[in-house]
Amino acid sequence: EAGVAQSPRYKIIEKRQSVAFWCNPISGHATLYWYQQILGQGPKLLIQFQNNGVVDDSQLPKDRFSAERLKGVDSTLKIQPAKLEDSAVYLCASSPEGLAGNNEQFFGPGTRLTVL
Amino acid sequence: GQNIDQPTEMTATEGAIVQINCTYQTSGFNGLFWYQQHAGEAPTFLSYNVLDGLEEKGRFSSFLSRSKGYSYLLLKELQMKDSASYLCAVEGDGNNRKLIWGLGTSLAVNP
Repeated sequence: EAGVAQSPRYKIIEKRQSVAFWCNPISGHATLYWYQQILGQGPKLLIQFQNNGVVDDSQLPKDRFSAERLKGVDSTLKIQPAKLEDSAVYLCASSPEGLAGNNEQFFGPGTRLTVL
Repeated sequence: GQNIDQPTEMTATEGAIVQINCTYQTSGFNGLFWYQQHAGEAPTFLSYNVLDGLEEKGRFSSFLSRSKGYSYLLLKELQMKDSASYLCAVEGDGNNRKLIWGLGTSLAVNP
């Protein structure tokens, strides 16, 4: 079974530029998560999709961040314009549509963003 | 508010046993997860507890006390490769299966 795929793995941009990240979850997983992880901290949930609908985006800085999952499979996360404090690893995770029990999240390798 | 506390750093010796504690205060509880994250890599699932008691899986065990809002991850026969960050995460109430994450405990295993 293929895991969660993300691209690019690394990205360096200057502040005020735009950047986009792509994620392909595990086949059949209904739920997709985008996290921001700053060095030395735990993951911070940015947005959670259930199929192609948004379940939670309460911590997404909507003035500069946007995400979509149009067909309920792949997802893109965009930052426009980027700020220095956006330097972090952006993790994508997916999980099966379980209503109870162990709903383990499977993580992709992440995209390390550096904003100069 | 919702809060998860775990020690920032721990050090242990190869072959020893180490216990990483996690306390939580959340609105509701639907389960507690432990993830392992090596430097520069993504988190990987270690364990899931929803009922009180100990879950054992090889060298790793996880304990939960819901009444105390407390969990620990026990690592036995430590190996150098166990040097990593260990993340405690709680699934709160609501039906969206959202996890509340701790900041992680960085474990260094020394020879």
